[in-house]
Amino acid sequence: EVQLVESGGGLVQPGGSLRLSCAASGFTFSSYEMNWVRQAPGKGLEWVSYISSSGSTIYYADSVKGRFTISRDNAKNSLYLQMNSLRAEDTAVYYCARESAGYMDVWGKGTTVTVSS
Amino acid sequence: SSELTQDPAVSVALGQTVRITCQGDSLRSYYASWYQQKPGQAPVLVIYGKNNRPSGIPDRFSGSSSGNTASLTITGAQAEDEADYYCNSRDSSGNPWVFGGGTKLTVL
Repeated sequence: EVQLVESGGGLVQPGGSLRLSCAASGFTFSSYEMNWVRQAPGKGLEWVSYISSSGSTIYYADSVKGRFTISRDNAKNSLYLQMNSLRAEDTAVYYCARESAGYMDVWGKGTTVTVSS
Repeated sequence: SSELTQDPAVSVALGQTVRITCQGDSLRSYYASWYQQKPGQAPVLVIYGKNNRPSGIPDRFSGSSSGNTASLTITGAQAEDEADYYCNSRDSSGNPWVFGGGTKLTVL
């Protein structure tokens, strides 16, 4: 079964850091581009970051540029999002999503990040 | 970055047809994909490309596009179709992706 499972969310103080992980199974992880997408409480979906299959090409939304770092370990079938200098507005459910030829076809269930003092 | 605009809310009578639209300049160059999200659940891809449905998505869901507008049509809406629907496409301004603000579909 094709599956993505996120972990690493939690409660963190403003200015703090968290590292999210996304474990992939059921497909050849190294062949796929991957994304992080977030959803603030009661709000819509917001694309956060993209990484190519090899990890050589990376993009970030302006809202997280300079604070978040996306990475992957194809040997471990894992995607990561290092989040630093967290702000209240980063509070959201974070989803990892597999990209396939112009669309996001597989999504994890998400992990919740709450930034609050 | 580019923007995709969706109506915040749409309603449809049970068994009737409803169209959900998505407007944006990037849609002149790229196809939209559509995602269904029910409360407390992750988004699910329902339409991609010109008009393609992933395995398991009922054929009452279809997609179309004209100019800067993409549409998701549900023909014969069912109670289980009540959900939020999001469009997305490549972002023509440099970032890989842009999402619409979402449309809450109510089935009456």
